[in-house]
Amino acid sequence: DTEVTQTPKHLVMGMTNKKSLKCEQHMGHRAMYWYKQKAKKPPELMFVYSYEKLSINESVPSRFSPECPNSSLLNLHLHALQPEDSALYLCASSQLRGGGLAKNIQYFGAGTRLSVL
Amino acid sequence: RKEVEQDPGPFNVPEGATVAFNCTYSNSASQSFFWYRQDCRKEPKLLMSVYSSGNEDGRFTAQLNRASQYISLLIRDSKLSDSATYLCVVQGDNTDKLIFGTGTRLQVFP
Repeated sequence: DTEVTQTPKHLVMGMTNKKSLKCEQHMGHRAMYWYKQKAKKPPELMFVYSYEKLSINESVPSRFSPECPNSSLLNLHLHALQPEDSALYLCASSQLRGGGLAKNIQYFGAGTRLSVL
Repeated sequence: RKEVEQDPGPFNVPEGATVAFNCTYSNSASQSFFWYRQDCRKEPKLLMSVYSSGNEDGRFTAQLNRASQYISLLIRDSKLSDSATYLCVVQGDNTDKLIFGTGTRLQVFP
């Protein structure tokens, strides 16, 4: 079983709603990630947090707003989404960059399947 | 050219067959290499890391050729449970970013 927990597992929202996705890990990892995955495509990186600071934003639209309240938690706030934003949203964590191959391994949560109506 | 390229398949093989997947990457500065497995409607899970000297884990063998910028995964004695999409993943030096290939779909039939 994954040690990265994501809630909710499924979410249906309208284009005017505000919702949040949550991710939690207790492995002591210091890097956390949000990915978006469409059907039959690989995961696409959205954001990276390293030591609770945003280190990478892959030019994601502002209707997606990440937040890292502490080293174990990662949120993704959603507002005014479009139907094309419907996808599987995956959270991942890793120990830290560098220091050997093992520390770069990313562990994924089970994802939140989002439908925007 | 994509940063990580894989044959999308599908590969349809009978139980017990040996199957090989290949992957090429464009960034010669890449330092870390992985194979992940993803079942339908599930999250990617690490199958194995890929070391320069090559490594084996049971029925699975991974190879890395840095000169050719090429990674391979060999699965021996395929099982029905091996049916999944196999993602080739590359990480550059001094970056937290993983680059995923498009994945190779494997279907093992009885």
